[in-house]
Amino acid sequence: GQQLNQSPQSMFIQEGEDVSMNCTSSSIFNTWLWYKQDPGEGPVLLIALYKAGELTSNGRLTAQFGITRKDSFLNISASIPSDVGIYFCAGQLVGSNYQLIWGAGTKLIIKP
Amino acid sequence: GEEVAQTPKHLVRGEGQKAKLYCAPIKGHSYVFWYQQVLKNEFKFLISFQNENVFDETGMPKERFSAKCLPNSPCSLEIQATKLEDSAVYFCASSQGGHELPLHFGNGTRLTVT
Repeated sequence: GQQLNQSPQSMFIQEGEDVSMNCTSSSIFNTWLWYKQDPGEGPVLLIALYKAGELTSNGRLTAQFGITRKDSFLNISASIPSDVGIYFCAGQLVGSNYQLIWGAGTKLIIKP
Repeated sequence: GEEVAQTPKHLVRGEGQKAKLYCAPIKGHSYVFWYQQVLKNEFKFLISFQNENVFDETGMPKERFSAKCLPNSPCSLEIQATKLEDSAVYFCASSQGGHELPLHFGNGTRLTVT
């Protein structure tokens, strides 16, 4: 089946550090979404990307839709304790019925 | 409402029993999606609806799983004769549809099959 490779699987960072994670695939996507999931809750949308090359920011978060339409990255600047959680990328394949393909998640842990 | 509401929050069933999960999408959203999240965190698409019609059921297991979205009722996902591997968190999401893809998720129903 279709796969999204999300990396890293987990990150241990100090408060204040910048964070970067990405998703890649061999398939072409027409939409990329980045979600954050806290324990016991559903994923919450952070950023939606609809065009190749698009660079979008949401506060300290920045995400880009790769030019090849096969990848996307998410950056978090100056991390704070509430950034802890699991971040997921999700993409909609060209021609699919709004069905999303999901990455396996990046778990962000802030070192005390 | 302004949120996707899922009930119950937790559901425990013995192997072989039936499980039924409910989802009320955000008012005005015409698309409803069901996803299964297993222990390794990955989300697996099950089925989607456009209003009360099945839109895409390519992710639904052929046996034991069924779903409905009837007018003026919460959507439902039913698992007949549950198995241990059905243990997961089941998420419902809704969207306005068309090109308004971003899905708004509920907080899920955790199904534990013992």
